[in-house]
Amino acid sequence: GNSVTQMEGPVTLSEEAFLTINCTYTATGYPSLFWYVQYPGEGLQLLLKATKADDKGSNKGFEATYRKETTSFHLEKGSVQVSDSAVYFCALFMFSGGYNKLIFGAGTRLAVHP
Amino acid sequence: DVKVTQSSRYLVKRTGEKVFLECVQDMDHENMFWYRQDPGLGLRLIYFSYDVKMKEKGDIPEGYSVSREKKERFSLILESASTNQTSMYLCASSSTWTSGTYNEQFFGPGTRLTVL
Repeated sequence: GNSVTQMEGPVTLSEEAFLTINCTYTATGYPSLFWYVQYPGEGLQLLLKATKADDKGSNKGFEATYRKETTSFHLEKGSVQVSDSAVYFCALFMFSGGYNKLIFGAGTRLAVHP
Repeated sequence: DVKVTQSSRYLVKRTGEKVFLECVQDMDHENMFWYRQDPGLGLRLIYFSYDVKMKEKGDIPEGYSVSREKKERFSLILESASTNQTSMYLCASSSTWTSGTYNEQFFGPGTRLTVL
């Protein structure tokens, strides 16, 4: 079946450090891929997305590239800020004509210290 | 701005109680969803609805039911709460799907339910 695997957290970084959160997926067909972010006390917000192979999603300094050959969608940011502290979820969506849903990874907590 | 609101941020109930979680969206979305969020498990879909009075089971529907009498409102019901239903519950909504197109799901802030 379809699934998403994320690196386990928590990830603890100093401000201005480089961030990578790994995400790989298993899917039959060609899913769309997403990163959602959940700030403390809030619901999830869409951070970025990519709908086909080699697409790069970007937003707020975060980037992720849809790599079909490695079935990956790693999240990166060149210089993190304290305000980036949150839980990050990788997810995939497939429109199969039947049961359509988002499939989420377990989430990775990021803590950024000044 | 899309707004999805949930009736409570925190709720404490006793085992065996009937629990209602309410969700309201103001964007005239056709689709509404209930997820539960647990550490290490991510979000798991409980139920979703693609129209008024329509519902579909998600991955973990056991112990839950839902009601959608109006387009903007989607309720999650725990008929007899148990301690293993202690969790964060998230509601979401989206416009209707068309073939090959994903429409963003907008999430509420969540209800943290504790069952004692």
